[in-house]
Amino acid sequence: DVKVTQSSRYLVKRTGEKVFLECVQDMDHENMFWYRQDPGLGLRLIYFSYDVKMKEKGDIPEGYSVSREKKERFSLILESASTNQTSMYLCASIKGGTGGRRETQYFGPGTRLLVL
Amino acid sequence: AQKITQTQPGMFVQEKEAVTLDCTYDTSDQSYGLFWYKQPSSGEMIFLIYQGSYDEQNATEGRYSLNFQKARKSANLVISASQLGDSAMYFCAMRPLWSGNTPLVFGKGTRLSVIA
Repeated sequence: DVKVTQSSRYLVKRTGEKVFLECVQDMDHENMFWYRQDPGLGLRLIYFSYDVKMKEKGDIPEGYSVSREKKERFSLILESASTNQTSMYLCASIKGGTGGRRETQYFGPGTRLLVL
Repeated sequence: AQKITQTQPGMFVQEKEAVTLDCTYDTSDQSYGLFWYKQPSSGEMIFLIYQGSYDEQNATEGRYSLNFQKARKSANLVISASQLGDSAMYFCAMRPLWSGNTPLVFGKGTRLSVIA
């Protein structure tokens, strides 16, 4: 069974803290994505990675960075958390190249982050 | 660039009735895929159904069917015989099909409530 896991389901942090959200997939997928979900706005892409040590900015990268040191792990970093980063964060992965053309992205369970 | 529009923020349907969730899209790509996801209150994204732009027949998966009208750029989800467990957020998404490297673009979602 395919699996994408995220390190926390719920997280409470203080303004200014450095926050790490971890995502791990066990499907040997090349591509991994971080989305942010807010009511009325749907899912918006923050960053994605199509290979180890590679990253691409999505639609809303400001205030975030990412790290992909191993194929199975993709980390989202909030260098200095702010209250407007309170949100639901979803990680996803998919097979790369033409193999993933007609495939769905596989999602993790999400992390609900509250920044106080 | 791709864009997904879901014009219904919320919908109500009586149990056992059918319901149609609207989705229109805009893209300059000739080959693309359309996806529908369900997100219950627990937060996980559940893949429901896929339609490729060159697929000759409309996709069906159990009680879910996709009413694909390419000329109108619409990909509406039809849920037949609604059940209480269908109450959730529903997202329409798309991406080009030339590789799995391209991220999904999501609509803002429709919240479906099934009434007993």
